[in-house]
Amino acid sequence: DAGVTQSPTHLIKTRGQQVTLRCSPKSGHDTVSWYQQALGQGPQFIFQYYEEEERQRGNFPDRFSGHQFPNYSSELNVNALLLGDSALYLCASNGDRADGYTFGSGTRLTVV
Amino acid sequence: DQQVKQNSPSLSVQEGRISILNCDYTNSMFDYFLWYKKYPAEGPTFLISISSIKDKNEDGRFTVFLNKSAKHLSLHIVPSQPGDSAVYFCAASEGSNYQLIWGAGTKLIIKP
Repeated sequence: DAGVTQSPTHLIKTRGQQVTLRCSPKSGHDTVSWYQQALGQGPQFIFQYYEEEERQRGNFPDRFSGHQFPNYSSELNVNALLLGDSALYLCASNGDRADGYTFGSGTRLTVV
Repeated sequence: DQQVKQNSPSLSVQEGRISILNCDYTNSMFDYFLWYKKYPAEGPTFLISISSIKDKNEDGRFTVFLNKSAKHLSLHIVPSQPGDSAVYFCAASEGSNYQLIWGAGTKLIIKP
C-alpha cells in the first residue's frame, strides 16, 4: 500500500521564479495538508485541501497557492520565489483525525 | 510566539533504558496532541496521540502522558532500542482547527 508520494524530491530554483510541487495522498485519504519545514524547526502549516477546496490556511502570503484534484492529489504553487522559501515542503494526508497524518518524504526546495 | 515548545534539542539514552521526551504548550485550547518520529530524508511518522480528555495513552513501548494543569506532555519509550534514534516532534491541534502546531523537535540518540 503506497503511502503519500511527493515529487520532485529535490528542486533548485532561482529567486523570482515559480515552482509547482505535487502530492498523491495515501489510498483512502481525502484530505491533503501542506507544511513548510525550515532547517532546525518544526513544520509550519501552509494550508489544507478537502473536496477540492482550501479548507484552512496558515500564516503564509498569497504567493503560496494550491489545488486539489478529483482524485484527491494536490499541487502546491509558489510564485516569485524568495531565498527564504528554501525549505523542506511536506505533504500530509488523513482520513480520520484519530489516525494522525501520514506524511510524504517531502520536496527539498533550494532557492538561489 | 511558540505555542509548542520542546526545550531539549537532543537527548542521549543507553539502550534498554527509558527515554523521556518532553513537550510544553501555552494554548489551553489545544485538545489533541500527537507525537511524530522523523528519520533523515523521510517524512515524519505518526507514533501516538492523546486527547485532552485522557491523561495517558499506551501503545506497545510508547506511552504518552498529558498534564493539562501544567500544560505539559511527555513521551516515554521503554525499553529504548537503537532504531528509536531519530528526531521526535510533538504537535497539537485545537477543536475544529485543522492545522497542527509543532515543536522544534528533540533528537534522540540511543547508545549501544
